[in-house]
Amino acid sequence: SQQGEEDPQALSIQEGENATMNCSYKTSINNLQWYRQNSGRGLVHLILIRSNEREKHSGRLRVTLDTSKKSSSLLITASRAADTASYFCATVDTGRRALTFGSGTRLQVQP
Amino acid sequence: DAGVIQSPRHEVTEMGQEVTLRCKPISGHDYLFWYRQTMMRGLELLIYFNNNVPIDDSGMPEDRFSAKMPNASFSTLKIQPSEPRDSAVYFCASSLTVGQGNEQYFGPGTRLTVT
Repeated sequence: SQQGEEDPQALSIQEGENATMNCSYKTSINNLQWYRQNSGRGLVHLILIRSNEREKHSGRLRVTLDTSKKSSSLLITASRAADTASYFCATVDTGRRALTFGSGTRLQVQP
Repeated sequence: DAGVIQSPRHEVTEMGQEVTLRCKPISGHDYLFWYRQTMMRGLELLIYFNNNVPIDDSGMPEDRFSAKMPNASFSTLKIQPSEPRDSAVYFCASSLTVGQGNEQYFGPGTRLTVT
């Protein structure tokens, strides 16, 4: 079963705008990760945030984590057409090593 | 490094046939994961290995599925006999765990179609 649920399921924006995706999860986690999947390709790791962190930045990416609400958000600033992809959150439950993926958000950036 | 390598990239087979998917993880990585992706069920963990030993196979759908890792550089996922509902993209991923981090590196996937 899917641990994380992304919101929205699909998002369409114009190039240059910011894109925000949200993820909720159910269990106690070790860390939470975000991955990108281009159509027909494998997943690519974007960023990892540990359970004791609240915010993390990497280039145009900003991730927040609220363990009390069991939720995370991914912000992509100044989006580009090349950011068009599906984005997945994935959690690592306490005591495990495997990832549990959410259902994903399909992002379309219009040039 | 060439990344995680999977073969074949595409497989079309008839129901009842045996299917073997192959994976070569990134050299030095001690964890290997098999996932399945479908539109209906999303990304599901099937099984993962640590140092060639299966750790959690609770995601393997049924006895028709089996996975092996005979050495640190090779793993197989076998389906026998295959059924149309097994049609999916199968991904292999590997990771090197240091502390709490376990970023996973995914292969390009094998798209399996069972007719």
